[in-house]
Amino acid sequence: QKEVEQNSGPLSVPEGAIASLNCTYSDRGSQSFFWYRQYSGKSPELIMFIYSNGDKEDGRFTAQLNKASQYVSLLIRDSQPSDSATYLCAVVNTNAGKSTFGDGTTLTVKP
Amino acid sequence: GAGVSQSPRYKVAKRGQDVALRCDPISGHVSLFWYQQALGQGPEFLTYFQNEAQLDKSGLPSDRFFAERPEGSVSTLKIQRTQQEDSAVYLCASSFTTGNNSPLHFGNGTRLTVT
Repeated sequence: QKEVEQNSGPLSVPEGAIASLNCTYSDRGSQSFFWYRQYSGKSPELIMFIYSNGDKEDGRFTAQLNKASQYVSLLIRDSQPSDSATYLCAVVNTNAGKSTFGDGTTLTVKP
Repeated sequence: GAGVSQSPRYKVAKRGQDVALRCDPISGHVSLFWYQQALGQGPEFLTYFQNEAQLDKSGLPSDRFFAERPEGSVSTLKIQRTQQEDSAVYLCASSFTTGNNSPLHFGNGTRLTVT
């Protein structure tokens, strides 16, 4: 079992809908959680990070963290075709120093 | 240069050849990471440096893999006697620190194909 698990998808939503991406992790010492977006053939780029339980909003994106359940999610409101990409969840245990990635969820937003 | 620079972008090597992949991080970034990404999978950790010190090399798949960052800036990932299973995209990332809120800034990667 991988340390960071994501549904591989593909997840398909119509334009304007809410896309919900989920991630679970096994290391209870994890302290920081990042969402990266990766377009096909490109490198990952940061969307947002969260390290406190609860919700964090940034524009159309909301990250949710529940450390007790070892669960983090990303909501994308008003999805656009340009949001079509693979979304990578990354978990950091600061004592370890490194980011551990899931295999990503592929999102397709249909016009 | 504003971003992380990797070279070459593409490398084709015959099985058994040695390769060297270069990473030039963002100026001032203390931490540098190497990841390996196979098609359809997430980046897998290889190794990381804080300045010139290699703090974790637990992800290097075998002793054929070696990384260095002698002056705390540019890093080189060397793969000796390449094998077909080494074919992947090698991503370099840097971050300002290894603190909680320090995201990774990725280069464009080097796609290695071993024939």
